[in-house]
Amino acid sequence: SAVISQKPSRDICQRGTSLTIQCQVDSQVTMMFWYRQQPGQSLTLIATANQGSEATYESGFVIDKFPISRPNLTFSTLTVSNMSPEDSSIYLCSVDEGTGTYEQYFGPGTRLTVT
Amino acid sequence: GDSVTQMEGPVTLSEEAFLTINCTYTATGYPSLFWYVQYPGEGLQLLLKATKADDKGSNKGFEATYRKETTSFHLEKGSVQVSDSAVYFCALGSNTGNQFYFGTGTSLTVIP
Repeated sequence: SAVISQKPSRDICQRGTSLTIQCQVDSQVTMMFWYRQQPGQSLTLIATANQGSEATYESGFVIDKFPISRPNLTFSTLTVSNMSPEDSSIYLCSVDEGTGTYEQYFGPGTRLTVT
Repeated sequence: GDSVTQMEGPVTLSEEAFLTINCTYTATGYPSLFWYVQYPGEGLQLLLKATKADDKGSNKGFEATYRKETTSFHLEKGSVQVSDSAVYFCALGSNTGNQFYFGTGTSLTVIP
């Protein structure tokens, strides 16, 4: 299975600033995903990031707030823009290796606190 | 649409007790089913999976059987350990639009 790393692992940021989270995969994958996990909650899909096309955002998430880049098949970034305390969450990237079984492998997450 | 309904927690068990966490699903196609585990302060790890009806996924003493007749994928372990304390998520991967659905998560605490 793919090995996924994320940077940073955690950060404390001031409101109004932006943070870019990096996701690196040890193999080439077509489908990458970004999730948000608010404290004590389940995961909510933010967007699907496929290389060579614009990210597809889920309802309630917009590109201006969460711009995503996917420059190649092993890397993606998610930016959390103009942050507020409500953005305090764990942000996780995941990949589907395209085996046809739809399983996703997750990075360790980025724990973001906005003050 | 497709969805997953998971037993709510939190669940507290004594060491060596039997564990069941219920999970049922709704799907229009032929989904794959998964259990993920999230240990404190960590990301999600795939615990086990089943890709078709009657498949049994197993790992680390945990088991779950994909039952189409009851649309269920309950997680079981015969004898839990303190190290099993974590949050467990049932999930469904659907071929309908390549969607992935998570349950709400069940927090398990095992006490010595």
